[in-house]
Amino acid sequence: GENVEQHPSTLSVQEGDSAVIKCTYSDSASNYFPWYKQELGKRPQLIIDIRSNVGEKKDQRIAVTLNKTAKHFSLHITETQPEDSAVYFCAAPTAGGTSYGKLTFGQGTILTVHP
Amino acid sequence: SQTIHQWPATLVQPVGSPLSLECTVEGTSNPNLYWYRQAAGRGLQLLFYSVGIGQISSEVPQNLSASRPQDRQFILSSKKLLLSDSGFYLCACLTGEGLQPQHFGDGTRLSIL
Repeated sequence: GENVEQHPSTLSVQEGDSAVIKCTYSDSASNYFPWYKQELGKRPQLIIDIRSNVGEKKDQRIAVTLNKTAKHFSLHITETQPEDSAVYFCAAPTAGGTSYGKLTFGQGTILTVHP
Repeated sequence: SQTIHQWPATLVQPVGSPLSLECTVEGTSNPNLYWYRQAAGRGLQLLFYSVGIGQISSEVPQNLSASRPQDRQFILSSKKLLLSDSGFYLCACLTGEGLQPQHFGDGTRLSIL
């Protein structure tokens, strides 16, 4: 099955700096990569996703890049703000037969933005 | 877009007691539904998924079971809770064809005493 590794596990930045979180995946057939943000005690919420037919996608201060050859994708947050502090999860389709939309999640990155 | 309801929001149960958590979905039909458990605020572990009424697949052996009695209802159950069943339980929904994201309900925080 798919194996998703996420790094770093914790990330601390100053307000206004950029933050980058990287995930690697094992199944070269994976074609969809969502990112979720989870605030303390809340549900994970989709913030951006990318399909394998593009290499980059942007939405205001958030961007995701995909390198299919190297099998990794990254989340980039620019001009970070304290409200960006949360746990971020990457995910990739679970491999093997018909996946039924199942996702394999990374272990999460705790992002702390200091004012 | 769909709305996912989960209840209760929090639950405190003694060891050995039964459990029933409910998830219902509005605004869509024939969704794929998923139950996740999250321990200590990190890592989402898929417990069960369902692609239709009465169709349940288990991802990991455990003390829990799931049922889907209606198209938009997904229930997580246990006959006897263990201490290790504590955690944050999330229901997720996937609708539509092709490459689509899962969307999560607000979750149930379960504490076993």
